[in-house]
Order: sequence, then structure tokens, then C-alpha cells
Amino acid sequence: GENVEQHPSTLSVQEGDSAVIKCTYSDSASNYFPWYKQELGKRPQLIIDIRSNVGEKKDQRIAVTLNKTAKHFSLHITETQPEDSAVYFCAASKGQAGTALIFGKGTTLSVSS
Amino acid sequence: KAGVTQTPRYLIKTRGQQVTLSCSPISGHRSVSWYQQTPGQGLQFLFEYFSETQRNKGNFPGRFSGRQFSNSRSEMNVSTLELGDSALYLCASSPGSTGELFFGEGSRLTVL
Repeated sequence: GENVEQHPSTLSVQEGDSAVIKCTYSDSASNYFPWYKQELGKRPQLIIDIRSNVGEKKDQRIAVTLNKTAKHFSLHITETQPEDSAVYFCAASKGQAGTALIFGKGTTLSVSS
Repeated sequence: KAGVTQTPRYLIKTRGQQVTLSCSPISGHRSVSWYQQTPGQGLQFLFEYFSETQRNKGNFPGRFSGRQFSNSRSEMNVSTLELGDSALYLCASSPGSTGELFFGEGSRLTVL
């Protein structure tokens, strides 16, 4: 079955710096790659997603890139702010919406001011 | 619009007992999936239901089961509880038109 590896497990940056989190997936049939943010004690929430027919997607300070050949995708956060501190999970799935998401183990991002 | 509602929010059980967790999806969402969250393993997929049918199942033992009712509400059951089943169980619903999952706040299960 699908396996998603996520690196790094922890990431500490200064406010204003950029942060990059990388994920690799194993199943070439996966075609949907979302990123979820989970603040301490709260539920995971979708922040951005990308489908396999797109190489890059941007939403204000966050962007996701996808390399289908290498089977990896990355989350880029620019101009980080303390409120970006959270656990970030990448995931992969195949098939239509609502299908099982296989998550990476998460990256704890700490942004210090 | 009300969000995904999970009950109970917290529960404590002893080894060998069984537990049933409930999830009410966002109105109009027909897909409901369940995830187990633990500090070491992150978010692990348990199963997904769509229109009362199990559409996908994760790699968990048969002690973990679920079902979905005609109103899209879902329940999951864990029988013969083990210490390692202690976790936050998250339910998520999806409208089906996008890939986004909307998570509930979870049911935190502690097995003693």
C-alpha cells in the first residue's frame, strides 16, 4: 500500500524566514496531495492541496510543489510568523474525493520572534 | 452550518472492554472516514464509508470495525481493548466535490 515519508520531523525558524517541508510517496497511482495544519489541541485543517496534473500551487505565503517523476512534494512557507507554529502533515491519496488519506508522520514547526 | 461532531470527547476503559465512538458529519457530506492519532505514529487511516458502504480500509486488526447509517452518521467500534489502543480517534467528513476533509475534535480514548 501507499507509504508517505515526511521530513524533517521538527523545524525551528526565525520569524520572517522561509520553511520547507518535504514528503515522498510510494504509490505512483496517488493523484491528490493535501497538507494539513494542526495547532496544539485543535483539529487538523487543510491549508493547501495539489493534484497530480499540476506542478505548483500557491496561496499567499504558502506554496506546494509536486514532482511526479520523483514522487515527492514539498510545502513552502515564506515570511513565517509565530502563528505558523503548528504540526504540519502531508498526505497522499488516489481516487475521488473523500478517499483514504495516507499521512506522513508530521513536522513540528516552531517560529520564534 | 454545524461542524463534524464526535461523541464522547473523552473516555477511559480497561483492557478487554469494548468501546463505540460516534460521529455526525457536516450536513450533506456523504463520506466519513476515521483516523487514529498517536504521538509516535501520527495520523493513521482506519476506514472510510460512503453511502453506508465501506469504501476503504486501513491496516488495522479486525477488532476495529465501523459502520455508517442512512443519515451518514457513523460509528466505530473497538473490541477487546489493548493498552496500545489509547489514542485520539478523529472522524472526518467530506462533501465529495473536493478532496478536503473536515475533521471533528476527536474522541480521546485511554485504556488502562
